[in-house]
Amino acid sequence: AQKVTQAQTEISVVEKEDVTLDCVYETRDTTYYLFWYKQPPSGELVFLIRRNSFDEQNEISGRYSWNFQKSTSSFNFTITASQVVDSAVYFCALSSSGGSYIPTFGRGTSLIVHP
Amino acid sequence: NAGVTQTPKFQVLKTGQSMTLQCAQDMNHEYMSWYRQDPGMGLRLIHYSVGAGITDQGEVPNGYNVSRSTTEDFPLRLLSAAPSQTSVYFCASRRTGTGNQPQHFGDGTRLSIL
Repeated sequence: AQKVTQAQTEISVVEKEDVTLDCVYETRDTTYYLFWYKQPPSGELVFLIRRNSFDEQNEISGRYSWNFQKSTSSFNFTITASQVVDSAVYFCALSSSGGSYIPTFGRGTSLIVHP
Repeated sequence: NAGVTQTPKFQVLKTGQSMTLQCAQDMNHEYMSWYRQDPGMGLRLIHYSVGAGITDQGEVPNGYNVSRSTTEDFPLRLLSAAPSQTSVYFCASRRTGTGNQPQHFGDGTRLSIL
């Protein structure tokens, strides 16, 4: 069975603060993929990033960065110098060979960035 | 390309009524799925399909039916609506192959059962 835990239900920060959203996953498979999606207040779900289990390189895209650590089964998402437009619910997801690549989502973390 | 299109965007039903939520994609994706989103529960998988004529149950299938007669369409049917089915429903699709493809989501259907 595969599982994704996003322990932080809600995070509130002030603009320009850095914030990290945690994602811990469980799977017995050696081949798996991790994803982050963003759901802004308008409600749509937007794909942000994908990482496969064989690539532990961290990734940076502008103010966004992702830290993938197999040793701790974590795929954390950091926003540097947060902005009000970053306010959204963020979902981490996992798909693995043992789960027939059917994605499992975490419960999401609601990020509120105050001006 | 329109991507994934869901209709209607909003719907109010009375308990016991039936209805169909429509989902269509124009990306020729073989994999399609339906999720429901409830506060604090994240996205829970209702049903999914890996191709025309093939469907399977997800985590919360009770009270819902699906069919996949074409690659493009994947309707979700509520047989006899119950208040517990009040939720936001998302349809998603992705390319096949391994599971490394991200999902493309529709804009959601907000459903209220009175």
